[in-house]
Amino acid sequence: EDKVVQSPLSLVVHEGDTVTLNCSYEVTNFRSLLWYKQEKKAPTFLFMLTSSGIEKKSGRLSSILDKKELSSILNITATQTGDSAIYLCAEKFGNEKLTFGTGTRLTIIP
Amino acid sequence: DGGITQSPKYLFRKEGQNVTLSCEQNLNHDAMYWYRQDPGQGLRLIYYSQIVNDFQKGDIAEGYSVSREKKESFPLTVTSAQKNPTAFYLCATHGGRREKLFFGSGTQLSVL
Repeated sequence: EDKVVQSPLSLVVHEGDTVTLNCSYEVTNFRSLLWYKQEKKAPTFLFMLTSSGIEKKSGRLSSILDKKELSSILNITATQTGDSAIYLCAEKFGNEKLTFGTGTRLTIIP
Repeated sequence: DGGITQSPKYLFRKEGQNVTLSCEQNLNHDAMYWYRQDPGQGLRLIYYSQIVNDFQKGDIAEGYSVSREKKESFPLTVTSAQKNPTAFYLCATHGGRREKLFFGSGTQLSVL
């Protein structure tokens, strides 16, 4: 069974710090890797990565996929209290099933 | 998310009772999914459906049942066989192979 592992499980940093969240996956038929942010209820989409080595950016957030290492990182620079959330990584593979990791709970201290 | 409606927001189940969670979408998406989220954990797939009148078990299907009689609707029944049903349930859809998942706002199920 394909497995998605995220680290760290939780992270507490001060406002203004830069954080890097990790996601690794095991795959037999990889299609894409997705990052979501979950603040209260519904997860909101951040990035979808399909090609290795190409960075996707949105403001202070960026993500990159390394297919050789079967991993992805999510970077957040100049963190703000509004970045506090659970960050979920998910892998989509051959049969369109999406498998999620356990998430990283990020807390930003003012 | 816009276009996906889950109801109710909160639901309480008595011991031995079956309850049904509703998920309706007006995005014209083929694929629909049900996930369960326990505190401090990620999302685990219960059931998914890629087309009307067809669905597949996910990783934790025991104690749950679904139907997909209409494209817009994918209700989830939590049966009395599910001994630990307290969790947050999320419904999601996507429109195609390159599409991201869109989530509903979820249903919190608790046992009385």
